[in-house]
Amino acid sequence: DVKVTQSSRYLVKRTGEKVFLECVQDMDHENMFWYRQDPGLGLRLIYFSYDVKMKEKGDIPEGYSVSREKKERFSLILESASTNQTSMYLCASSGNRGSNQPQHFGDGTRLSIL
Amino acid sequence: GESVGLHLPTLSVQEGDNSIINCAYSNSASDYFIWYKQESGKGPQFIIDIRSNMDKRQGQRVTVLLNKTVKHLSLQIAATQPGDSAVYFCAERNTGGFKTIFGAGTRLFVKA
Repeated sequence: DVKVTQSSRYLVKRTGEKVFLECVQDMDHENMFWYRQDPGLGLRLIYFSYDVKMKEKGDIPEGYSVSREKKERFSLILESASTNQTSMYLCASSGNRGSNQPQHFGDGTRLSIL
Repeated sequence: GESVGLHLPTLSVQEGDNSIINCAYSNSASDYFIWYKQESGKGPQFIIDIRSNMDKRQGQRVTVLLNKTVKHLSLQIAATQPGDSAVYFCAERNTGGFKTIFGAGTRLFVKA
C-alpha cells in the first residue's frame, strides 16, 4: 500500500512565524502535491512537483513556497504565517505524468495560526 | 471555469440499503475519474477509478458508472454499512496533465 506521511497532525503557530510542513511518500512517486482543505471550498491546489527540485504553482500559491530536495520528500513553507492560512493541509503523491493513477493522500496537518 | 460538482451535499441511507452518490463534470477533455472517501480526521482515501473508455467498473461493494454523453459520474455502494459514513469526493483529470479537479463532496450518513 502507498504510504504518505505528514509529520504533524496538529500544529499551532503565531502570526509572522515561518512554518514548515513536511511530507514523505514511500512509493517512489514522481509527483507530489500540497492542498489546503477548507469548509465549503473543497480541495485547492497550492503547489505541486513532478520531479526533484522541480515545482509548479497551483491555484493558490500566494504566501507559500515548497521544496523538493529528495524524491520522497515534499515540504510546504509558509514564509510569514497569517491567520487566513489556518486550514487543513493535505499532501498527496502519484505516479508518472500521463499514467492513469490516482493521487494518494496523507492524513493531513491541521494548522492553526494565532 | 471548469469544475466538478455534486448534486447533493448530504445523503442519508438505512443500513443495508444501497447508496448512490452522483457527480457532474464539465470538462469534456477529462478522461480519468476517481472516487475518494474521507472519514473524519483523515485524508481522502482512494476507492475506485474509471477511464473514459469504460462506462462501468466494479470493486468490492462499490460500482462506478460513467455517462460521457451527459458528463455524469456515480458511485454505488451496495449494502451500506455504518463504516461507510464519510464524505465522498469525485475527481476528474486529463491524463495529459497534472491537475486533478475535485468536487465539493457529499456527506453520507448511514442510519442503523
